[in-house]
Amino acid sequence: QKEVEQNSGPLSVPEGAIASLNCTYSDRGSQSFFWYRQYSGKSPELIMFIYSNGDKEDGRFTAQLNKASQYVSLLIRDSQPSDSATYLCAVNQGGYQKVTFGTGTKLQVIP
Amino acid sequence: GAGVSQTPSNKVTEKGKYVELRCDPISGHTALYWYRQSLGQGPEFLIYFQGTGAADDSGLPNDRFFAVRPEGSVSTLKIQRTERGDSAVYLCASSLGPTLSGNTIYFGEGSWLTVV
Repeated sequence: QKEVEQNSGPLSVPEGAIASLNCTYSDRGSQSFFWYRQYSGKSPELIMFIYSNGDKEDGRFTAQLNKASQYVSLLIRDSQPSDSATYLCAVNQGGYQKVTFGTGTKLQVIP
Repeated sequence: GAGVSQTPSNKVTEKGKYVELRCDPISGHTALYWYRQSLGQGPEFLIYFQGTGAADDSGLPNDRFFAVRPEGSVSTLKIQRTERGDSAVYLCASSLGPTLSGNTIYFGEGSWLTVV
């Protein structure tokens, strides 16, 4: 089982719709969870981080964490074509400083 | 500096040669990470420094890979006897402190290594 799993996609949504990106992780002791966005040929950039169960909102982005189900998600409201990118889920496993990344989900927002 | 700086941005080398990749973290960041990313994959952890010491090198694939951070700032990733399978983007990242203390990591633009 991979430490961090994501559906590789592509996930296609029409402009203005809600995009829902999902991630599961294997280490129940994981403490910190991150979402990065990566445009083609560019390095990952941090969108959001979340530590506690529940929802965390920042503008059009909402991160959701459910530690019991070992599941973290990212919702993007009012999706724009500029949101088209690969979204990487990353997890800081319990007791370790390293951050482990999933393979990413490619999002395509169709105008 | 304002961001994580990596040099060279692109490197083409012949199989069997030695390569050094340099990373200059954000000023004041004590934690430094090296990741490797192949096409269609997420970043793969290589090594983590807290200060001058390698606190976790569990991701280094074999003994051809080595990294140093002698003064707790700039780091160099060294690859000996390069192989075609080493071709990837090598990403350096830094954070203000340990991620377990709530700090987030910021990436440089990467060094694109091609072994021919």
